[in-house]
Amino acid sequence: DTAVSQTPKYLVTQMGNDKSIKCEQNLGHDTMYWYKQDSKKFLKIMFSYNNKELIINETVPNRFSPKSPDKAHLNLHINSLELGDSAVYFCASSQDKQRGWLADTQYFGPGTRLTVL
Amino acid sequence: KQEVTQIPAALSVPEGENLVLNCSFTDSAIYNLQWFRQDPGKGLTSLLLIQSSQREQTSGRLNASLDKSSGRSTLYIAASQPGDSATYLCAALDSNYQLIWGAGTKLIIKP
Repeated sequence: DTAVSQTPKYLVTQMGNDKSIKCEQNLGHDTMYWYKQDSKKFLKIMFSYNNKELIINETVPNRFSPKSPDKAHLNLHINSLELGDSAVYFCASSQDKQRGWLADTQYFGPGTRLTVL
Repeated sequence: KQEVTQIPAALSVPEGENLVLNCSFTDSAIYNLQWFRQDPGKGLTSLLLIQSSQREQTSGRLNASLDKSSGRSTLYIAASQPGDSATYLCAALDSNYQLIWGAGTKLIIKP
Protein backbone atom coordinates (compact mmCIF):
# COMPACT_ATOMS: atom_id res chain seq x y z
CA ASP A 1 0.00 0.00 0.00
CA THR A 2 2.95 2.29 -0.73
CA ALA A 3 1.79 5.76 -1.71
CA VAL A 4 4.53 6.69 -4.17
CA SER A 5 6.76 3.93 -5.48
CA GLN A 6 9.80 4.01 -7.70
CA THR A 7 11.63 1.26 -9.51
CA PRO A 8 14.38 0.39 -9.48
CA LYS A 9 15.78 1.49 -6.13
CA TYR A 10 19.34 1.18 -7.37
CA LEU A 11 20.57 1.43 -10.94
CA VAL A 12 24.17 0.94 -11.99
CA THR A 13 24.96 1.31 -15.65
CA GLN A 14 27.66 2.23 -18.14
CA MET A 15 28.10 5.56 -19.85
CA GLY A 16 26.21 5.84 -23.10
CA ASN A 17 23.41 3.48 -22.11
CA ASP A 18 19.72 4.37 -22.12
CA LYS A 19 17.73 3.70 -18.96
CA SER A 20 14.31 4.35 -17.48
CA ILE A 21 13.07 4.92 -13.95
CA LYS A 22 9.43 4.25 -13.21
CA CYS A 23 7.17 6.02 -10.75
CA GLU A 24 3.65 5.21 -9.66
CA GLN A 25 1.35 6.84 -7.13
CA ASN A 26 -1.84 5.34 -5.75
CA LEU A 27 -3.03 8.50 -3.99
CA GLY A 28 -5.28 9.69 -6.80
CA HIS A 29 -3.18 12.84 -7.13
CA ASP A 30 -3.30 15.00 -10.22
CA THR A 31 0.32 16.16 -10.32
CA MET A 32 3.61 14.30 -10.35
CA TYR A 33 7.20 15.50 -10.28
CA TRP A 34 10.75 14.40 -10.85
CA TYR A 35 13.58 15.81 -8.75
CA LYS A 36 17.32 15.32 -8.87
CA GLN A 37 19.27 15.46 -5.63
CA ASP A 38 22.77 16.73 -6.12
CA SER A 39 25.90 15.99 -4.09
CA LYS A 40 25.10 18.84 -1.70
CA LYS A 41 21.69 17.36 -0.97
CA PHE A 42 19.87 20.07 -2.90
CA LEU A 43 16.71 18.86 -4.56
CA LYS A 44 16.19 20.39 -7.98
CA ILE A 45 12.93 20.00 -9.81
CA MET A 46 13.24 18.61 -13.31
CA PHE A 47 9.69 18.06 -14.54
CA SER A 48 6.11 18.32 -13.39
CA TYR A 49 3.04 16.78 -14.98
CA ASN A 50 -0.56 17.64 -14.20
CA ASN A 51 -3.14 15.16 -15.52
CA LYS A 52 -0.64 13.83 -18.06
CA GLU A 53 0.25 17.33 -19.28
CA LEU A 54 3.75 18.75 -18.92
CA ILE A 55 3.60 21.78 -16.62
CA ILE A 56 7.17 22.42 -15.55
CA ASN A 57 10.20 21.65 -17.65
CA GLU A 58 13.30 23.03 -16.04
CA THR A 59 16.57 23.38 -17.84
CA VAL A 60 17.71 19.81 -18.09
CA PRO A 61 19.50 18.11 -20.98
CA ASN A 62 17.13 16.88 -23.65
CA ARG A 63 18.53 13.42 -22.99
CA PHE A 64 16.00 13.37 -20.15
CA SER A 65 12.46 12.73 -21.28
CA PRO A 66 9.48 12.23 -18.98
CA LYS A 67 6.59 10.07 -20.05
CA SER A 68 3.19 9.98 -18.40
CA PRO A 69 0.96 7.17 -19.74
CA ASP A 70 -1.72 8.09 -17.21
CA LYS A 71 -1.98 10.40 -14.25
CA ALA A 72 -0.85 7.69 -11.83
CA HIS A 73 2.46 7.14 -13.60
CA LEU A 74 5.38 9.36 -14.52
CA ASN A 75 8.43 7.62 -15.92
CA LEU A 76 11.80 9.18 -16.54
CA HIS A 77 13.81 8.04 -19.54
CA ILE A 78 17.45 9.00 -19.88
CA ASN A 79 19.37 8.58 -23.13
CA SER A 80 23.14 8.41 -23.54
CA LEU A 81 23.89 8.43 -19.82
CA GLU A 82 26.83 10.51 -18.64
CA LEU A 83 28.93 10.39 -15.48
CA GLY A 84 27.32 13.61 -14.27
CA ASP A 85 23.91 11.99 -14.30
CA SER A 86 24.88 9.99 -11.22
CA ALA A 87 22.56 11.13 -8.44
CA VAL A 88 19.48 10.17 -6.49
CA TYR A 89 16.28 10.84 -8.39
CA PHE A 90 13.03 11.38 -6.51
CA CYS A 91 9.52 11.13 -7.81
CA ALA A 92 6.71 12.96 -5.98
CA SER A 93 3.02 13.68 -6.29
CA SER A 94 0.55 16.21 -4.92
CA GLN A 95 -3.19 16.67 -4.98
CA ASP A 96 -3.22 20.14 -6.55
CA LYS A 97 -6.50 21.91 -6.33
CA GLN A 98 -5.53 24.17 -9.19
CA ARG A 99 -4.01 23.12 -12.47
CA GLY A 100 -0.25 22.90 -12.37
CA TRP A 101 0.43 24.62 -9.07
CA LEU A 102 2.63 23.18 -6.38
CA ALA A 103 0.39 24.40 -3.63
CA ASP A 104 -0.10 21.21 -1.71
CA THR A 105 2.05 18.89 0.31
CA GLN A 106 4.15 16.70 -1.89
CA TYR A 107 4.53 13.02 -1.22
CA PHE A 108 7.80 11.49 -2.22
CA GLY A 109 8.94 8.13 -3.39
CA PRO A 110 11.95 6.39 -1.82
CA GLY A 111 14.34 7.57 -4.51
CA THR A 112 16.40 5.83 -7.16
CA ARG A 113 20.16 5.93 -6.78
CA LEU A 114 21.63 6.07 -10.28
CA THR A 115 25.32 5.35 -10.69
CA VAL A 116 26.91 5.82 -14.09
CA LEU A 117 30.30 4.14 -14.52
CA LYS B 1 15.84 34.86 -7.03
CA GLN B 2 14.66 32.91 -4.01
CA GLU B 3 17.30 31.17 -1.95
CA VAL B 4 16.71 28.90 0.99
CA THR B 5 19.38 28.35 3.63
CA GLN B 6 19.46 25.94 6.54
CA ILE B 7 21.75 26.37 9.50
CA PRO B 8 23.40 24.42 10.98
CA ALA B 9 24.34 21.82 8.38
CA ALA B 10 24.66 19.25 11.14
CA LEU B 11 23.54 19.00 14.74
CA SER B 12 24.15 16.39 17.42
CA VAL B 13 22.26 16.48 20.72
CA PRO B 14 21.60 14.07 23.60
CA GLU B 15 18.30 12.25 23.72
CA GLY B 16 15.51 14.06 25.51
CA GLU B 17 16.58 17.59 24.64
CA ASN B 18 14.36 20.08 22.87
CA LEU B 19 15.90 21.52 19.73
CA VAL B 20 15.29 24.04 16.97
CA LEU B 21 16.21 23.78 13.32
CA ASN B 22 16.42 26.96 11.29
CA CYS B 23 15.41 27.78 7.73
CA SER B 24 15.74 31.18 6.10
CA PHE B 25 14.57 32.43 2.72
CA THR B 26 15.53 35.59 0.87
CA ASP B 27 12.20 36.50 -0.75
CA SER B 28 9.21 36.82 1.55
CA ALA B 29 6.79 36.36 -1.37
CA ILE B 30 6.12 32.68 -0.76
CA TYR B 31 2.91 30.69 -0.87
CA ASN B 32 3.89 28.13 1.70
CA LEU B 33 6.83 26.46 3.39
CA GLN B 34 7.23 22.74 4.03
CA TRP B 35 9.44 20.71 6.31
CA PHE B 36 10.56 17.21 5.33
CA ARG B 37 12.75 14.55 6.81
CA GLN B 38 14.98 12.34 4.75
CA ASP B 39 16.02 8.93 5.98
CA PRO B 40 18.74 7.00 4.15
CA GLY B 41 17.16 4.53 1.77
CA LYS B 42 13.65 5.64 2.66
CA GLY B 43 13.25 8.81 0.67
CA LEU B 44 11.49 11.93 1.87
CA THR B 45 8.66 12.26 4.33
CA SER B 46 6.56 15.38 4.52
CA LEU B 47 6.28 16.64 8.12
CA LEU B 48 4.50 19.97 8.13
CA LEU B 49 3.23 22.52 5.64
CA ILE B 50 2.61 26.15 6.64
CA GLN B 51 0.59 28.33 4.33
CA SER B 52 1.74 31.94 3.93
CA SER B 53 -1.23 33.16 5.96
CA GLN B 54 -0.36 30.91 8.90
CA ARG B 55 2.14 31.43 11.68
CA GLU B 56 2.65 27.87 12.84
CA GLN B 57 1.66 24.24 12.46
CA THR B 58 1.93 21.44 14.99
CA SER B 59 2.11 17.68 14.63
CA GLY B 60 2.86 15.63 17.72
CA ARG B 61 6.25 16.67 19.09
CA LEU B 62 6.92 18.89 16.08
CA ASN B 63 6.07 22.55 15.78
CA ALA B 64 6.93 24.65 12.75
CA SER B 65 6.71 28.42 12.70
CA LEU B 66 6.78 30.89 9.85
CA ASP B 67 7.73 34.57 9.93
CA LYS B 68 7.53 35.88 6.38
CA SER B 69 8.62 39.39 7.27
CA SER B 70 11.95 38.17 8.58
CA GLY B 71 12.25 35.35 6.05
CA ARG B 72 12.53 32.66 8.67
CA SER B 73 11.00 29.37 9.62
CA THR B 74 11.89 27.13 12.53
CA LEU B 75 11.17 23.50 13.27
CA TYR B 76 10.95 22.77 16.97
CA ILE B 77 11.36 19.18 18.11
CA ALA B 78 10.37 18.45 21.68
CA ALA B 79 11.83 15.65 23.79
CA SER B 80 14.06 14.36 21.02
CA GLN B 81 14.45 10.62 20.46
CA PRO B 82 17.05 8.55 18.58
CA GLY B 83 14.39 7.85 15.96
CA ASP B 84 14.36 11.55 15.13
CA SER B 85 17.84 11.19 13.64
CA ALA B 86 17.58 12.13 9.97
CA THR B 87 18.23 14.98 7.59
CA TYR B 88 15.60 17.71 7.81
CA LEU B 89 14.84 19.78 4.74
CA CYS B 90 12.77 22.88 4.32
CA ALA B 91 11.32 24.02 1.00
CA ALA B 92 9.59 27.28 0.07
CA LEU B 93 7.01 27.60 -2.69
CA ASP B 94 7.99 30.88 -4.29
CA SER B 95 6.01 33.41 -6.33
CA ASN B 96 6.77 31.50 -9.52
CA TYR B 97 5.29 28.35 -7.99
CA GLN B 98 8.71 26.77 -7.82
CA LEU B 99 9.60 24.70 -4.79
CA ILE B 100 12.99 25.98 -3.61
CA TRP B 101 14.86 23.66 -1.30
CA GLY B 102 17.42 24.13 1.42
CA ALA B 103 20.42 21.82 1.68
CA GLY B 104 19.18 20.29 4.91
CA THR B 105 20.29 19.87 8.51
CA LYS B 106 21.63 16.46 9.49
CA LEU B 107 20.35 15.71 12.97
CA ILE B 108 21.84 13.05 15.22
CA ILE B 109 20.18 12.23 18.50
CA LYS B 110 22.55 10.43 20.83
CA PRO B 111 21.04 7.79 23.14
